[in-house]
Amino acid sequence: GAGVSQTPSNKVTEKGKYVELRCDPISGHTALYWYRQSLGQGPEFLIYFQGTGAADDSGLPNDRFFAVRPEGSVSTLKIQRTERGDSAVYLCASRYDSSNTGELFFGEGSRLTVL
Amino acid sequence: AQSVTQPDIHITVSEGASLELRCNYSYGATPYLFWYVQSPGQGLQLLLKYFSGDTLVQGIKGFEAEFKRSQSSFNLRKPSVHWSDAAEYFCAVVFYGQNFVFGPGTRLSVLP
Repeated sequence: GAGVSQTPSNKVTEKGKYVELRCDPISGHTALYWYRQSLGQGPEFLIYFQGTGAADDSGLPNDRFFAVRPEGSVSTLKIQRTERGDSAVYLCASRYDSSNTGELFFGEGSRLTVL
Repeated sequence: AQSVTQPDIHITVSEGASLELRCNYSYGATPYLFWYVQSPGQGLQLLLKYFSGDTLVQGIKGFEAEFKRSQSSFNLRKPSVHWSDAAEYFCAVVFYGQNFVFGPGTRLSVLP
């Protein structure tokens, strides 16, 4: 696609529910990143994929958070038993490859609100 | 531990005035450095990046940044600010591996 696409753009859920956020990266980009951005803060790293595998998941806050990228393209971030503290904008970014010289291209984010 | 700091939470400048946004990092080697801008309701857009070579890099929208190894800094500058530059600015650093670490951001307001 022309850019990184994230769906849904907005998600409102109740505490304890399960949520899935989808990211469709730029075609041909092998690296895919998830970040979380709370109001007034910078993006906080969650996980990144190189191809189908998670190369670094050190930013996932706990085992309620999980992400997959089964075919090396689209990725889904899954949050179980949501808590009010999970409310944030979840950003996805892709990169042509994992070499250090490539920049990240970001989607517009999925805003999650947990009531 | 590796970290990125942006000392100024909020800066206000008059339109036409010059701008400098500060970014400092803590790391034992020279990382790869980026500046991104985020306008309200929009995704982050790359302004410029530094990997090696000339320490003064030019970016889009008339921005430039200078890498100073001795100060572990990568400050963003613009000689004349336009009202459309009002946004949130983030410095980002790639340390070892390919993990981008972002600073907390500086919000820029522009007075007419």
